[in-house]
Amino acid sequence: DAKTTQPPSMDCAEGRAANLPCNHSTISGNEYVYWYRQIHSQGPQYIIHGLKNNETNEMASLIITEDRKSSTLILPHATLRDTAVYYCIVRVGGNTPLVFGKGTRLSVIA
Amino acid sequence: GAGVSQSPRYKVAKRGQDVALRCDPISGHVSLFWYQQALGQGPEFLTYFQNEAQLDKSGLPSDRFFAERPEGSVSTLKIQRTQQEDSAVYLCASSLGALGVNTEAFFGQGTRLTVV
Repeated sequence: DAKTTQPPSMDCAEGRAANLPCNHSTISGNEYVYWYRQIHSQGPQYIIHGLKNNETNEMASLIITEDRKSSTLILPHATLRDTAVYYCIVRVGGNTPLVFGKGTRLSVIA
Repeated sequence: GAGVSQSPRYKVAKRGQDVALRCDPISGHVSLFWYQQALGQGPEFLTYFQNEAQLDKSGLPSDRFFAERPEGSVSTLKIQRTQQEDSAVYLCASSLGALGVNTEAFFGQGTRLTVV
């Protein structure tokens, strides 16, 4: 079973920041927080991951609370192409399976 | 190409038929995963290979499902005597990471299997 809880859906206006929350209150000390997204009819795509520090890359920022029980994925300037299902996953390492929940369906609206 | 390649993209099988789905991972990737995704659901883990060794097959739903990766690169997922509930998208992913190494997984576009 997925160890994360996400809202089923969210809307965001094009050009605005999209903030996607995730609860992972039972996360273990050696588990990372991963974010993937799945655009319609494609395979999931890696976005970002982190352990306890905030992370940023060219796609997004990941903010992890100090107690590590929740996190937020930030897409700073959402575009229509960011419309997708976003999955928050906790995982020990690169050789362990990703356990997907139902994710958050983000709709970016013009 | 540089990504994970799956074939065929679409497969229609009659109930009771055997099917074989192919995955070409990214060259040099140690880990390979198979997932099953039903309509409207998130992907569900089926099985995991590290090189040619199948280290985890806990997600395979029945003994009709079989996966192999004999030379540690290309993998095949075989489903025997297909049933309607096998209809789903089958996703393959590979990652460079081996035990203890934390790396991202790259997914193929999947094979959509429809059993009629």
